Amino acid sequence: GAVVSQHPSWVICKSGTSVKIECRSLDFQATTMFWYRQFPKQSLMLMATSNEGSKATYEQGVEKDKFLINHASLTLSTLTVTSAHPEDSSFYICSAIWGPGNTIYFGEGSWLTVV
Amino acid sequence: DAKTTQPPSMDCAEGRAANLPCNHSTISGNEYVYWYRQIHSQGPQYIIHGLKNNETNEMASLIITEDRKSSTLILPHATLRDTAVYYCISWKASGTYKYIFGTGTRLKVLA
Repeated sequence: GAVVSQHPSWVICKSGTSVKIECRSLDFQATTMFWYRQFPKQSLMLMATSNEGSKATYEQGVEKDKFLINHASLTLSTLTVTSAHPEDSSFYICSAIWGPGNTIYFGEGSWLTVV
Repeated sequence: DAKTTQPPSMDCAEGRAANLPCNHSTISGNEYVYWYRQIHSQGPQYIIHGLKNNETNEMASLIITEDRKSSTLILPHATLRDTAVYYCISWKASGTYKYIFGTGTRLKVLA
């Protein structure tokens, strides 16, 4: 099946700095990717839809200036958490649509810890 | 998007079939039912999906009721590695493409 890969798997950053998470579709082109965040013992919450060559669509309550999304190519979307704070510590997951059935496949996730 | 409801948790004995129910009573005619599972600290893993016919693959079987208001995911011979949170999602492959996750069912397979 399709493979979606994220990097880094985990990252620790200092409060006030920015951190970038990459999401790649390894064996297919993805015009649309999705970003989720997940807090411990909670379900996934959709943050934004990333569209290749255009601006991302953010869900209500998600600050677009804080969570910068760039989808510059058909195989790469990036999420940059700007001016990170400890409350931004979370598990961030991306996904992409693939196949004739338009199935969504997820990356392995990226753990962000802000200290 | 249609809302799905699932029991918060279930236990299953190792080697037995695990039957995970999902209610999607407001599903529309062109929405599929998708199942994923998430093992601790990993991204969700695709299991199976269907529209109205029952489906089977190497991982599981999906039984969808005739009125499509509910479905059951069946893991025929559960193993300890099947312990995970299972999510049922109803979604149509057009429009906004938004996948909305519910709370899922935490399946614990017991030795």
